[in-house]
Amino acid sequence: GAVVSQHPSWVICKSGTSVKIECRSLDFQATTMFWYRQFPKQSLMLMATSNEGSKATYEQGVEKDKFLINHASLTLSTLTVTSAHPEDSSFYICSAPPTGFGEQYFGPGTRLTVT
Amino acid sequence: QQQVKQSPQSLIVQKGGISIINCAYENTAFDYFPWYQQFPGKGPALLIAIRPDVSEKKEGRFTISFNKSAKQFSLHIMDSQPGDSATYFCAAANTGNQFYFGTGTSLTVIP
Repeated sequence: GAVVSQHPSWVICKSGTSVKIECRSLDFQATTMFWYRQFPKQSLMLMATSNEGSKATYEQGVEKDKFLINHASLTLSTLTVTSAHPEDSSFYICSAPPTGFGEQYFGPGTRLTVT
Repeated sequence: QQQVKQSPQSLIVQKGGISIINCAYENTAFDYFPWYQQFPGKGPALLIAIRPDVSEKKEGRFTISFNKSAKQFSLHIMDSQPGDSATYFCAAANTGNQFYFGTGTSLTVIP
């Protein structure tokens, strides 16, 4: 089946620094990828839609300047958390649809801890 | 605003029993309704999904029941096993592939 990977799987950074998280589709091309965040014991919340070659679309309430998304190729989307603060600590998960509308494959997630 | 409502929040079932989780939605633009299983520290894994043109779908021990008029759908896990203990999320997606998740159900299957 389709595989989506994320790197790193976990990261610890100091408050005020920036962190980049990569999402790759390993065996299919994805013109669109999605980024979610999940707090402990809570649901996944859609943050933004990453579009290859164009600007990302952000959900209401998500700061565009804080969560920078780049979808530079058909297999790679990156999420950069800028000037990270402890409240940004969360589990970030990406997903991609291998065949148009419908089925989504999720990455294994990246645990971000900001100290 | 929570676009998909899920219940119960937690569920304890004896081994061999039936686990039932329910979800409801409001937006009639949703056209795809998957269920995901998530273990701690892992990303969600697709279990089973349904589209609104059918009322039921069964795959192994997992069954989705879908009621379009009531805007509700449910997951039934037959012959529940301890290995099924996980968090289950329902979701609803629009044609733009944007997925909205329920709040999750923590299932514990007691041996």
